[in-house]
Amino acid sequence: GGIITQTPKFLIGQEGQKLTLKCQQNFNHDTMYWYRQDSGKGLRLIYYSITENDLQKGDLSEGYDASREKKSSFSLTVTSAQKNEMAVFLCASSIMGFNYAEQFFGPGTRLTVL
Amino acid sequence: SQLAEENLWALSVHEGESVTVNCSYKTSITALQWYRQKSGEGPAQLILIRSNEREKRNGRLRATLDTSSQSSSLSITATRCEDTAVYFCATEGQGGRALIFGTGTTVSVSP
Repeated sequence: GGIITQTPKFLIGQEGQKLTLKCQQNFNHDTMYWYRQDSGKGLRLIYYSITENDLQKGDLSEGYDASREKKSSFSLTVTSAQKNEMAVFLCASSIMGFNYAEQFFGPGTRLTVL
Repeated sequence: SQLAEENLWALSVHEGESVTVNCSYKTSITALQWYRQKSGEGPAQLILIRSNEREKRNGRLRATLDTSSQSSSLSITATRCEDTAVYFCATEGQGGRALIFGTGTTVSVSP
């Protein structure tokens, strides 16, 4: 088995701040994903990456940057935190990025912007 | 893009009872997945059912797929308190490389 680690677990930021979230996986999976989860809205895809140095935009990419410098890690940057924003950011990975690959999720980073 | 959507926001049952969560989706799919998310955790896959399958079982879980009505259901029998979670269905999107998740149905199982 493997595990996905997300750091930090809780992130408190100020309006306008640039904030970076990190994700590591030891499954040796090719594809990694970042989702945003707001209360009552399910998971929305921000970015995904099918291999090292690859980036693909999801439906919610505006306001975010991502970086996949190693196969095992995928970072997400909130370029300018919005006041009163609260959400959970979930990282996931899967073998290849095909349509019925199981996605394995980390526990999430909970963001609060003051 | 594909849209997967659970039909109810929340369901409450007592331990030992059965519960069914329903999901509808918009266009043709290759497969549909059911995930469960417990409080404070990320989602975890429960069942994957392919478009050529009508039913799939995993212990107390049973998923069905009806491609003609573009709907799926997940049934849990003999529920336990630890089944309390949000249940999502997910279908492929983004050229087949990512998943589209529904908004989820919260299932609460009380003693």
